[in-house]
Amino acid sequence: DGGITQSPKYLFRKEGQNVTLSCEQNLNHDAMYWYRQDPGQGLRLIYYSQIVNDFQKGDIAEGYSVSREKKESFPLTVTSAQKNPTAFYLCASSILAGGTGNTIYFGEGSWLTVV
Amino acid sequence: AQKITQTQPGMFVQEKEAVTLDCTYDTSDPSYGLFWYKQPSSGEMIFLIYQGSYDQQNATEGRYSLNFQKARKSANLVISASQLGDSAMYFCAMREDGFSGYSTLTFGKGTMLLVSP
Repeated sequence: DGGITQSPKYLFRKEGQNVTLSCEQNLNHDAMYWYRQDPGQGLRLIYYSQIVNDFQKGDIAEGYSVSREKKESFPLTVTSAQKNPTAFYLCASSILAGGTGNTIYFGEGSWLTVV
Repeated sequence: AQKITQTQPGMFVQEKEAVTLDCTYDTSDPSYGLFWYKQPSSGEMIFLIYQGSYDQQNATEGRYSLNFQKARKSANLVISASQLGDSAMYFCAMREDGFSGYSTLTFGKGTMLLVSP
């Protein structure tokens, strides 16, 4: 089945450690995105990528890094520089990066907790 | 200023009744898209319905319809014949054309809908 797969679903991290969240899509979408959601809040954009080997910072990129070596993969690393990393992280993709009518589809999300 | 405003933190509705979730937006772009997503307790974001700024008719998808009032900049979601499985968080979002040729979504803070038997 086509879709967006995120792993792991739940992740615990010790303070000072980096952690990487995986996101894979088999929809043949060009654009991929990472969003962060805090309790009771909407989603905020961390990073997005329009094509392979290219990515741009979103609204809250500090303390995060990404790579886009393959079209289907867009992993997110939460670094130790991220001061408040406990949140729900959602990966998404769309056919194209541009166009106001292109629907963005989401994965099931990853819960990250710093212990 | 917030681009997407959802003024109802929570809504209650009885099963089989209709409910309207409010959304107002702010943009100066003539071209934009409005989306509604459903987020159940499991966390996944499920796309429900889309309305383009140039669309003449209100969008409908099964039990979901979008009441689009362009002059008022509102895009309310109407759910007809509510079901228990409709209990979830609902987000309104807007997509605008960006300067670099990309566009992404700006979300409201959501409305929690609870459907009672």
